[in-house]
Amino acid sequence: DVKVTQSSRYLVKRTGEKVFLECVQDMDHENMFWYRQDPGLGLRLIYFSYDVKMKEKGDIPEGYSVSREKKERFSLILESASTNQTSMYLCASSLDRYLTDTQYFGPGTRLTVL
Amino acid sequence: QQQVKQSPQSLIVQKGGISIINCAYENTAFDYFPWYQQFPGKGPALLIAIRPDVSEKKEGRFTISFNKSAKQFSLHIMDSQPGDSATYFCAATGGTASKLTFGTGTRLQVTL
Repeated sequence: DVKVTQSSRYLVKRTGEKVFLECVQDMDHENMFWYRQDPGLGLRLIYFSYDVKMKEKGDIPEGYSVSREKKERFSLILESASTNQTSMYLCASSLDRYLTDTQYFGPGTRLTVL
Repeated sequence: QQQVKQSPQSLIVQKGGISIINCAYENTAFDYFPWYQQFPGKGPALLIAIRPDVSEKKEGRFTISFNKSAKQFSLHIMDSQPGDSATYFCAATGGTASKLTFGTGTRLQVTL
């Protein structure tokens, strides 16, 4: 079974803090994704990566950056957290660089920025 | 061009009834339409997917109906069960798209 793990289930941070969200997949998948999920807005893509050290912007990259130093690990960074970044963050991975590949999601990190 | 509109936002169905969730898309280049199911506290998981070369795909109690001319597709859950209570997301991709575009989600509650 594909397993995508996220470092924290719940996180509370203060405005202006630097926040790191970690994601690890154990199936040697090429692609990794970061989404945020908000009620009424569905899943919105923040960043994705097709390879180590490679990244592409999604729909809402502002205020975020990412890092992929190893194939299995994809980190989302909030350089200076703001209250409007309070959300559920979901990491996903897929086997290949085909959008028809199944995306496997982690359980999510619920981030609250005070 | 990249939007996928999903309705309803929430749905309450009695056990044994049929749940129907609808999605509409704009980009005629889209050619892959998956549905993801998300239980509380879990990430979404692929439920069923369809390509536009068929008008219907069935897997157990779950059926996708696809209407290419109307640019619409829907998920039907037959004999809905309380265990089907979850949030459902439709999605679409294809053509020059570089990502899956998700709908806004439907929260389904199946009551006893």
